[in-house]
Amino acid sequence: AQKVTQAQTEISVVEKEDVTLDCVYETRDTTYYLFWYKQPPSGELVFLIRRNSFDEQNEISGRYSWNFQKSTSSFNFTITASQVVDSAVYFCALSEASMNRDDKIIFGKGTRLHILP
Amino acid sequence: SAVISQKPSRDICQRGTSLTIQCQVDSQVTMMFWYRQQPGQSLTLIATANQGSEATYESGFVIDKFPISRPNLTFSTLTVSNMSPEDSSIYLCSVDNRDLTSGSYNEQFFGPGTRLTVL
Repeated sequence: AQKVTQAQTEISVVEKEDVTLDCVYETRDTTYYLFWYKQPPSGELVFLIRRNSFDEQNEISGRYSWNFQKSTSSFNFTITASQVVDSAVYFCALSEASMNRDDKIIFGKGTRLHILP
Repeated sequence: SAVISQKPSRDICQRGTSLTIQCQVDSQVTMMFWYRQQPGQSLTLIATANQGSEATYESGFVIDKFPISRPNLTFSTLTVSNMSPEDSSIYLCSVDNRDLTSGSYNEQFFGPGTRLTVL
């Protein structure tokens, strides 16, 4: 069965520090997608990244970077030089990528990140 | 990318009443989903809205409580029936344009959500 675990419920760091949000997943499929979403206090869900299981290259986008390690079933997210605007709840998610119409995204419980000025 | 709008954005309802939430997408999409996010919790999938057929419900959710319509490729509704305070949540519509031949993903987008409070 699919499962996404975000062990860190809440993290607080001081502005400009780096912070890593952990995500560990479980799936029986060899083909799947992993996602990160950001949910700021306003409530909307903002798509950050999608990575398919065949692409283990790490990705960097500005201050954001993602480390995908199939060997440990992890897809961790690092924010470098954090800013107050990064304060939000961050969700890691998984979808199995078969031809099945009913495939769905399974979300972790989220990590609430507080960036302190 | 797809632009998704939801109506209403928020509502306060009395116990025992029903509310229908609308989801409109600015382009035709393959898949539409409805999620619930209870206060302080993660997102839970309620159902997949299938165009032209009955929705596919996840465990713990039933059609009588959450009837769903999807008359075309750009629109869906979710009704929360016979509401109780436990139904107070954010309800989110989500879409993706998965290629059903290859199974490859584009992206999955979420609407702004409907914040429901049941008194």
